[in-house]
Amino acid sequence: GQQLNQSPQSMFIQEGEDVSMNCTSSSIFNTWLWYKQDPGEGPVLLIALYKAGELTSNGRLTAQFGITRKDSFLNISASIPSDVGIYFCAGSARRSQGNLIFGKGTKLSVKP
Amino acid sequence: ETGVTQSPTHLIKTRGQQVTLRCSSQSGHNTVSWYQQALGQGPQFIFQYYREEENGRGNFPPRFSGLQFPNYSSELNVNALELDDSALYLCASSPGTSGTRGETQYFGPGTRLLVL
Repeated sequence: GQQLNQSPQSMFIQEGEDVSMNCTSSSIFNTWLWYKQDPGEGPVLLIALYKAGELTSNGRLTAQFGITRKDSFLNISASIPSDVGIYFCAGSARRSQGNLIFGKGTKLSVKP
Repeated sequence: ETGVTQSPTHLIKTRGQQVTLRCSSQSGHNTVSWYQQALGQGPQFIFQYYREEENGRGNFPPRFSGLQFPNYSSELNVNALELDDSALYLCASSPGTSGTRGETQYFGPGTRLLVL
């Protein structure tokens, strides 16, 4: 099935470092969502973006909806051990039909 | 506010059998979507139900079918199970098509299906 291009595939960083990951698509999206998934659990919504250019924060997390509507990034500042997990971007192209298209995920590991 | 719940949490079936997975949507949500997540991959959209009608379907064969009930809970049925059906099945609910944020989806914990 169709997927977004999400990078990097994995990151191994030191506690306290900042993290940046991004997603790109060949088609336009109306909504970008960022999720975190821990092993054996469902994805948990972190940030939702609804308008091109929108910049939204949730604590140490910041995400932006790209101006072209074909990309989005997620930044995590001052990482802590509990940030470990897999981060997924997801996009929705149609407002009235919300089938989300997901990236393959970025696996984040944090070294204390 | 109750979040999305799914049952069972784990299930083991043999090839050729049929399985039914269940989902209760978050309070106030009238739309339910189902996804299949293979190991190491992002979730893949199976279908969505809005007010008891199918409202979109991904690239899955007809042996994947679903239902939504008047209380907005939902079932995913898979017939003639194949080994490749082994995956985490996720249910997500959303507020629905009213408003620009209707497609924001909140996921349940998933059902882990193993087909032997």
